[in-house]
Amino acid sequence: KQEVTQIPAALSVPEGENLVLNCSFTDSAIYNLQWFRQDPGKGLTSLLLIQSSQREQTSGRLNASLDKSSGRSTLYIAASQPGDSATYLCAVSGNTPLVFGKGTRLSVIA
Amino acid sequence: DGGITQSPKYLFRKEGQNVTLSCEQNLNHDAMYWYRQDPGQGLRLIYYSQIVNDFQKGDIAEGYSVSREKKESFPLTVTSAQKNPTAFYLCASTSIEGQGNIQYFGAGTRLSVL
Repeated sequence: KQEVTQIPAALSVPEGENLVLNCSFTDSAIYNLQWFRQDPGKGLTSLLLIQSSQREQTSGRLNASLDKSSGRSTLYIAASQPGDSATYLCAVSGNTPLVFGKGTRLSVIA
Repeated sequence: DGGITQSPKYLFRKEGQNVTLSCEQNLNHDAMYWYRQDPGQGLRLIYYSQIVNDFQKGDIAEGYSVSREKKESFPLTVTSAQKNPTAFYLCASTSIEGQGNIQYFGAGTRLSVL
């Protein structure tokens, strides 16, 4: 059964710092991996989707990488801002619907 | 604007009562999903449907029921058999053309027990 782990569970950084969030999964037979953002009490917003054949995707200050063979993905956030404060979740899709990690709660301090 | 609408935003359930959470999408998506989120936890799949009049149980289907009579609608009923219903419920949808399409989420319904 697919399991997704996100480390760290929480992270606090000063504004302007570059940071990396980590996601690992146990079954490498995936179709894609998605990174989502969730603000408190809100739904999820898709940030980036990486197909299994891709190595990375970029959107603005965000870059996500995928190493399917090692079961790992990273989300890189450049020049962090207080508005980036949220919980970031990764999820993988295979023969079953999306399986989610528990998320990393990010606080960017001004 | 296209999107997913969940209602109500807040819902209270009395003991022994069934309650229904609404989810409507106008994205013309084939697949719809219901997740439950508890504090500090990831999302757990309750039910999903890939086509009208068909649905499958997820990891935590006990105490819940769904229907998919229309492509746009996928209501979730929390029955009295669900003994710990307090949670944040999220509905999502995606197109199933090909594989690996973005999943879109509603704003959620927070259910509490009176």
